[in-house]
Amino acid sequence: SYELTQPLSVSVAPGQTARIACGGDNIGRKNVHWYQQRPGQAPVLVIYRDVIRPSGIPDRFSASNSGNTATLTISGAQAGDEADYYCQVWDSRIAVFGGGTKLTVL
Amino acid sequence: QVQLVQSGAEVKKPGASVKVSCKTSGYIFTSYEINWVRQAPGQGLEWMGWMDPDSDSTGYAQNFQGRVTMTKDTSIGTAFMELTSLKFEDTAVYYCARWYSSGWGFDSWGQGTVVSVSS
Repeated sequence: SYELTQPLSVSVAPGQTARIACGGDNIGRKNVHWYQQRPGQAPVLVIYRDVIRPSGIPDRFSASNSGNTATLTISGAQAGDEADYYCQVWDSRIAVFGGGTKLTVL
Repeated sequence: QVQLVQSGAEVKKPGASVKVSCKTSGYIFTSYEINWVRQAPGQGLEWMGWMDPDSDSTGYAQNFQGRVTMTKDTSIGTAFMELTSLKFEDTAVYYCARWYSSGWGFDSWGQGTVVSVSS
């Protein structure tokens, strides 16, 4: 079965750039989606199809996908960006989530 | 606007069943699949399966095969997820999420339903 690997945690200073990686075998050939989940809330889609931001998502959120790694980038990190972030792909009609990365803004 | 509103919290005993509902509004119910995702306390997201309201097709994650059934009532725009033979480790928040097609993510989520399995 397909697996996605994320770092458990990433820290960033306010105003700086955070990068969250998502590793998978030839993930560059798949569409990668990213979700933000704040404590006690449902996940929110922040990036779909590798690089597209849904309406209402700030342009501080961007992403890339190539080779064996997809990356979510948050520019100008703010306290409100503190959350868990999950990558997700489809593998033969099965949804696969990464284990999640806790972003701390300190 | 698009809304997915789930039923309230449940407390069940081991071996029992639970049925969670997901009432949709603001879009054409049969145009989007409904997926179910759960999250155990302090853990990540675990995908359970999908249901196509247009075709009645379903697909379940291997971990839940034989224990989960996803259904719908098109007349009221509502999807259901029933999980049987509950175990302590089924304690989790259960989410429904809308999905359009290949290349799309889960763009709208329900608020979550807490299911606690306790003796």
